Amino acid sequence: NAGVMQNPRHLVRRRGQEARLRCSPMKGHSHVYWYRQLPEEGLKFMVYLQKENIIDESGMPKERFSAEFPKEGPSILRIQQVVRGDSAAYFCASSLTGAWEKLFFGSGTQLSVL
Amino acid sequence: GENVEQHPSTLSVQEGDSAVIKCTYSDSASNYFPWYKQELGKRPQLIIDIRSNVGEKKDQRIAVTLNKTAKHFSLHITETQPEDSAVYFCAAGRGGNQGGKLIFGQGTELSVKP
Repeated sequence: NAGVMQNPRHLVRRRGQEARLRCSPMKGHSHVYWYRQLPEEGLKFMVYLQKENIIDESGMPKERFSAEFPKEGPSILRIQQVVRGDSAAYFCASSLTGAWEKLFFGSGTQLSVL
Repeated sequence: GENVEQHPSTLSVQEGDSAVIKCTYSDSASNYFPWYKQELGKRPQLIIDIRSNVGEKKDQRIAVTLNKTAKHFSLHITETQPEDSAVYFCAAGRGGNQGGKLIFGQGTELSVKP
């Protein structure tokens, strides 16, 4: 759904740098999900956030990864000290209530770590 | 852990033929099963979904069947067209207030030859 906006579309980082990926949900949506897609693989759930709260982070790596969804502004997925294995497409999706809703994805951010 | 297996990984058909993609899931609490189509470099797009209270759902040339006892669900595309060529992903989730947390299959690359 064109309403979920992600930026940047492409992000290149060198090993050890930080990556910040942004997701603006559809207007009025207060639930955001982040997924990661490695080359030629399916999407893997990372984290589910509501405004100012992390609801489920069971798919997040234990170190270097963090996510937030502040009261104002976009949701941010932050990766510190990136490594080559972090290279992937990161997609976010949003929903109005978080319950029984079809999940529509943004266009994704392709992260490349050199 | 929760897992979704998808077969085949690649599928080539002639235009006008039918295509069938099959998935099995491990989490017996799953009750929501969407299918996504992803073209190269683009976002996954929801094409059809089914909840566990029905065994079959159809939308024009696309149908999905669900066998909860066997934990199988399948996507059927009839009268295939070249524009159906893409990677298709099945997914399973618990729905309800975890509606956005999906477990994806590995994907099937469908090629429809004119």
